[in-house]
Formats: sequence, structure tokens, C-alpha cells
Amino acid sequence: GEDVEQSLFLSVREGDSSVINCTYTDSSSTYLYWYKQEPGAGLQLLTYIFSNMDMKQDQRLTVLLNKKDKHLSLRIADTQTGDSAIYFCAEKDTGFQKLVFGTGTRLLVSP
Amino acid sequence: NAGVTQTPKFQVLKTGQSMTLQCAQDMNHNSMYWYRQDPGMGLRLIYYSASEGTTDKGEVPNGYNVSRLNKREFSLRLESAAPSQTSVYFCASVVEDQAEEAQETQYFGPGTRLLVL
Repeated sequence: GEDVEQSLFLSVREGDSSVINCTYTDSSSTYLYWYKQEPGAGLQLLTYIFSNMDMKQDQRLTVLLNKKDKHLSLRIADTQTGDSAIYFCAEKDTGFQKLVFGTGTRLLVSP
Repeated sequence: NAGVTQTPKFQVLKTGQSMTLQCAQDMNHNSMYWYRQDPGMGLRLIYYSASEGTTDKGEVPNGYNVSRLNKREFSLRLESAAPSQTSVYFCASVVEDQAEEAQETQYFGPGTRLLVL
């Protein structure tokens, strides 16, 4: 079955760039997503990338997709303390409209 | 437009008690989902409903039942709660409009935190 893996924790200083990595197994995934979860809240869609793209930029966010290695990354430029949260990557199950989520990466931004 | 709403926000149950978690969406989405979130395990799909009147099991359905009352509402029932069901439960619904750029994007409710003693 599909599997999505992420590192559990990342710590950066305010103003630095953060890079959160994700690997997935389903090579036929059409969309790959990044969600953000702030403490005590639900998941909020941050950005997504279609599988025929290599890169997508959205303000401070840059998503890179390496289909050959099945590797997805999220770069946050000029990281702020408000970016502290858990970040989930997800791939769409090709058999159904079901998302397979990674375990989440907790990003801690220190002043 | 409230998006996806869930009630209650918090609940404490004793082992063996039953309860229903409510979810509603006002975005006219066809598909709705129930997930549970546990530390270090990401989100796991419990049940989903592709359309009004249909429901299917997800990855971890045991101990749960669901009901798609109408297009707006999708409820999750625990008939006899167990401590292993202590978790945070999220409901989500899906954009399916072909005109939407991010079709199949899931929108999540704020979650229900459940503690079973």
C-alpha cells in the first residue's frame, strides 16, 4: 500500500529558511499536498503540486517535486514564529479520492 | 460560509459508553471523511462517504459506525467506547468541481478531542 514518510521534528531560528522533506511510494499520485496544523486546530491546506510539475512557488513557500526519487519538499523562506506548527504532506490514493498522510513534521521556530 | 463544522469540541467518556460525533459542511461537497489523529501516526481514515447514501470503510473502521444523513452531514458513532479510541477526530470534505484548480482538495473541520477513561 501507499506510504508517506516525514522526519518528526525540525528546529530553526526566526528569519532562516526551513525545509521539510517527505517521501512517498505511489508513483502514480496525481496531486501532492502540504497541510499545516496549528496547536488545537484542524488541518489547513497550505499548497499543493500537480505531479507533472517540478516546482511551485507561492509567496514564501516553495514546493519541489522529484518524481524519480518520489521526494517532495516544502521550503519556507524567512521563517517566522507564527510558522511553528505541524506540517503534513499527503498524496492522493489513485484508486479513490483518499489522501494518505505522512506522520507530520513539527516545526519549531525560535526567536 | 462556515466550511466544515464539528461538534462537540471535547468529550470525556467512560469505557462502554456510546456517543455520536457530528460533522456538517456547507460547501455542497459530495465526499466526506472521518479521520483519527494519534501522536506519531499522522491521520488514519476511519470511514468515508463518496456521496449521500453511501459509506465505505477506511483503514481503521473497527469500533465505529457512520451515517450520511444527507449531503451536508456525516456522523461518526462509537457504540461502546474503549480507551484505544482516545484520539482527535477530524472530519473533512472534498472539492470535486472540475473548475476548481485544486480539485480533490480536502477541507478539514477543527476536530473533536475524545478521552475514553
